[in-house]
Amino acid sequence: DAGVTQSPTHLIKTRGQQVTLRCSPKSGHDTVSWYQQALGQGPQFIFQYYEEEERQRGNFPDRFSGHQFPNYSSELNVNALLLGDSALYLCASSFLVGGGETQYFGPGTRLLVL
Amino acid sequence: AQKITQTQPGMFVQEKEAVTLDCTYDTSDQSYGLFWYKQPSSGEMIFLIYQGSYDEQNATEGRYSLNFQKARKSANLVISASQLGDSAMYFCAMGTQGGSEKLVFGKGTKLTVNP
Repeated sequence: DAGVTQSPTHLIKTRGQQVTLRCSPKSGHDTVSWYQQALGQGPQFIFQYYEEEERQRGNFPDRFSGHQFPNYSSELNVNALLLGDSALYLCASSFLVGGGETQYFGPGTRLLVL
Repeated sequence: AQKITQTQPGMFVQEKEAVTLDCTYDTSDQSYGLFWYKQPSSGEMIFLIYQGSYDEQNATEGRYSLNFQKARKSANLVISASQLGDSAMYFCAMGTQGGSEKLVFGKGTKLTVNP
């Protein structure tokens, strides 16, 4: 049973560039959430996608956008990168219908903005 | 708004001993879930244990147990018989019952298990 996978594992970008991170959910899961974890902090919720639509959003600017595909995989896009966007980006999947299920996380993508 | 507080930046324990990691929470919701995750240096968040706000018994999963005290709004994690592989960051989180929606995390506690 494949768990949550993310790509790439590491990424280096410069200020002002755009980046796309990818996530495939655990088999049987239909919901994908994205979190940003700055160094020394707990993860912060960015947004959640279900049925190809954003259903919840945290306190992040519009530079952060996402997409969910019919196979439930998801992308996180960040435009106009800032130095402060350097962080570990975690994807988590869950099953929403029927009361929901605990979120399971992928290994993360480490983004460094120079 | 929901809030999680973890007041122990770091904890040390001897191998084979038990350790308690503290977590307090704040919410005005009647229905909620409490979670503990382990994060090794590799970065992946590993789900350990879940407690629903309506669950009357404390949750247990192998060597992990959650000491849930609703009136005190605390959800401490107890790890019995610590192993060297338990050395990691531990995060307490709060969300909806079941946990499929937005999770709010604390700042974490770094646990070091000494041989």
